[in-house]
Amino acid sequence: DAGVIQSPRHEVTEMGQEVTLRCKPISGHDYLFWYRQTMMRGLELLIYFNNNVPIDDSGMPEDRFSAKMPNASFSTLKIQPSEPRDSAVYFCASSGRLGSGNQPQHFGDGTRLSIL
Amino acid sequence: SQQGEEDPQALSIQEGENATMNCSYKTSINNLQWYRQNSGRGLVHLILIRSNEREKHSGRLRVTLDTSKKSSSLLITASRAADTASYFCATVPMNRDDKIIFGKGTRLHILP
Repeated sequence: DAGVIQSPRHEVTEMGQEVTLRCKPISGHDYLFWYRQTMMRGLELLIYFNNNVPIDDSGMPEDRFSAKMPNASFSTLKIQPSEPRDSAVYFCASSGRLGSGNQPQHFGDGTRLSIL
Repeated sequence: SQQGEEDPQALSIQEGENATMNCSYKTSINNLQWYRQNSGRGLVHLILIRSNEREKHSGRLRVTLDTSKKSSSLLITASRAADTASYFCATVPMNRDDKIIFGKGTRLHILP
């Protein structure tokens, strides 16, 4: 059974460029989460979706960040324009039907993003 | 806001010894979960304990929950080199079962 798939695994780009991170959740999971992990701030929830609809985006740092889920099997997190402080590991996670808090989350292996 | 805080931040023990990590939290919870993260990988769910449970076992893992003290512990018995990883507790607040909040983790290093 395939897990959560993220691409790319690594991204290095220059400040000001647009960055798009991609995620394919586990088939049948209704919830999808985007997290950012840094040494200083730990794991932060950016946004999550239920049945492709954004439910809580209060963790999105600013308007430069946007996320979409056009269908049940694909989501993107976009940063435009990117800044050096956006450098982090970005994780996507999905979970099953009983509600995001009562089911374990399944994480992808993350995208390590470096903004120069 | 950070709900769970792990203690210690880092732990080194000899292979074969038991490792204990603690998690404290601030508000009432629906459940508490423990995850492991190997270097360069995503988090992997280990065990979930509900607020009305006191102890749970899974293989070499034992989790306890004390809601009166708002704390949990994760015990790994007979540690192995492969247990080297970061361990995170995550809490689901009682009144927000659509939220899960992760702590900053304990880095566990098993010495050969």
